Parts: sequence; C-alpha cells; structure tokens
Amino acid sequence: DAKTTQPPSMDCAEGRAANLPCNHSTISGNEYVYWYRQIHSQGPQYIIHGLKNNETNEMASLIITEDRKSSTLILPHATLRDTAVYYCIVRGYSNTGKLIFGQGTTLQVKP
Amino acid sequence: GAVVSQHPSWVICKSGTSVKIECRSLDFQATTMFWYRQFPKQSLMLMATSNEGSKATYEQGVEKDKFLINHASLTLSTLTVTSAHPEDSSFYICSVPYSRGYEQYFGPGTRLTVT
Repeated sequence: DAKTTQPPSMDCAEGRAANLPCNHSTISGNEYVYWYRQIHSQGPQYIIHGLKNNETNEMASLIITEDRKSSTLILPHATLRDTAVYYCIVRGYSNTGKLIFGQGTTLQVKP
Repeated sequence: GAVVSQHPSWVICKSGTSVKIECRSLDFQATTMFWYRQFPKQSLMLMATSNEGSKATYEQGVEKDKFLINHASLTLSTLTVTSAHPEDSSFYICSVPYSRGYEQYFGPGTRLTVT
C-alpha cells in the first residue's frame, strides 16, 4: 500500500472550513484514499473514501487531484467536536481490508 | 448506536497474569476482525487479523504466543494478553470491516494497565 504524508498538526477556527492535506505520490491505480479520525481515547471513526472522483457525505468532502498524488479532506464548518487526529490512508481493495495508520494530522479547532 | 463493542473498557492487572479482551460485532456478522494497539501519543499499530474458523494472522514482530486471538463466532473475537508485563500496557482496539471491506467500524478500545 502507498505511503502517505500529512502535516503533524493544524489549527482551525470554529465555524470555518478545515482543509486537511495528504500527499500520496506513490499511489497506484487500484488504490483508494480513506480518511478516518480519532477523537482522544476513542476508537477511530470512518469519514470518507474515494478512488479518483471527488466525494461528499454528511461529514466531509474529499477532493482528489487529477493525478491522484494528493488529496484534501474538507470539513465545511468545523466545530470544537471535530478536534481529533485525522488519518489519511491509501489502500488497495485487493488486500484483506486491513488499514495501516500513519501519524496523522492533529486538528485543533479553536473557539 | 454502537456497531462494535469491546469489553472491558479498561482493566488493571498484575504483572504475570493474563487478560482477555472481547470484541463484538453488534449489527452484522464478521468473518474477519482486526486488532490494533496504540501507545500514548502514537498511532495505531496493526497487531493481527482475526479469522473466523482459522488461525489468526499476525503482523511482523507481534508474538503470537503472547497475544492469543480466538475468533469464537461470527460476532466475537477475543484477544488474550498472556503473562502481561508493564510494557504491554496500552490501548487495544478492534475493528470490523463492513461494506465489502470499504469501511471499517472500530470498537471503543480497551485501556490495559499492567502493574
């Protein structure tokens, strides 16, 4: 599975959009981009995933560049409860489904 | 509501004893479950894949004789930390793949402290 690079930390003002970048320059054609988050002392929570098209759900939007080498997770109106560690994971569907977590980005939403 | 539960949510045990952690899939059957370990201020580390009806698959560097995994049914996997030592103190989390593996639901985690 391709390796990802994320900034270690980011701040965002409450009510503003939070844009979390992820680089995955070695991604291959059949690998998906997944985003999970982990609020302190809880299990991770699935947010969204995509292959090459932009995706949106009730939690967030995922923007994948045309060359698929990077992506951005967008939380449109961040709240204090969105403070968490956000993990970008690239995984092919051909494997067993296991996720390999990197260090993620700690997002601090401030009032 | 919760899709995956873990029991206990926290446990304190003495060095040398064994501890069993349960992971239950509440809403659907799971032939595969995953076990992770997380030390303070670190990321999750995959320990093993629990397979219903067959032996667990362990990641490199994880001692299979120390971390016993039993996939007892399609809704239950257990992780037993045998002869626990203080360095085994950690946050243990299980996950269950869903939607043909596209998503995973994680349990709330079990905090193990070995004294």
